[in-house]
Amino acid sequence: DAMVIQNPRYQVTQFGKPVTLSCSQTLNHNVMYWYQQKSSQAPKLLFHYYDKDFNNEADTPDNFQSRRPNTSFCFLDIRSPGLGDAAMYLCATSRGAGTGGEAFFGQGTRLTVV
Amino acid sequence: GENVGLHLPTLSVQEGDNSIINCAYSNSASDYFIWYKQESGKGPQFIIDIRSNMDKRQGQRVTVLLNKTVKHLSLQIAATQPGDSAVYFCALHGSSNTGKLIFGQGTTLQVKP
Repeated sequence: DAMVIQNPRYQVTQFGKPVTLSCSQTLNHNVMYWYQQKSSQAPKLLFHYYDKDFNNEADTPDNFQSRRPNTSFCFLDIRSPGLGDAAMYLCATSRGAGTGGEAFFGQGTRLTVV
Repeated sequence: GENVGLHLPTLSVQEGDNSIINCAYSNSASDYFIWYKQESGKGPQFIIDIRSNMDKRQGQRVTVLLNKTVKHLSLQIAATQPGDSAVYFCALHGSSNTGKLIFGQGTTLQVKP
């Protein structure tokens, strides 16, 4: 059974039209991550939550926001998508740095901006 | 900083040979390292991990070596199979205690039959 679930798998949005990507987990992990991955590149960390504590990367554009209403769900909001935001968006979870443990990834959402 | 890099973008090996994929990192405070495999169109999949208090860890057909002195990590795959063809990433926890996980650039492993 899938433990980190991302919806939808494919998302097409219009230039400038707000879009939300969803992630849910059944692992009860403390940490949830959002990564952006473009073709032939490594996943780039946008931000992550440790429980309710939000950690933004310094180079993440303001256009990207996130919400974590509870342990199980995390959302990525792109306020005004540009053509350069077309990418695979990966959600992951882990138990956190203290106890270690690998991050478990969802299958990703492929975002197309038209 | 917490830079993570890989030495080679593409590695091509013959089926049955051993593969070695390398990774260098810059943050000496990093204490946990992970190797991931990513197949086309899928999320990264955990392969093996190692803590900084170890220098070697073995799994099924895979071995991870950690050299903290030179900040180098390697993944060895024994008897490489066509199903091993994928992109391999090293990743590490950053120096914060928030679970931050950053990725290196990836090596594409191509297995020739």
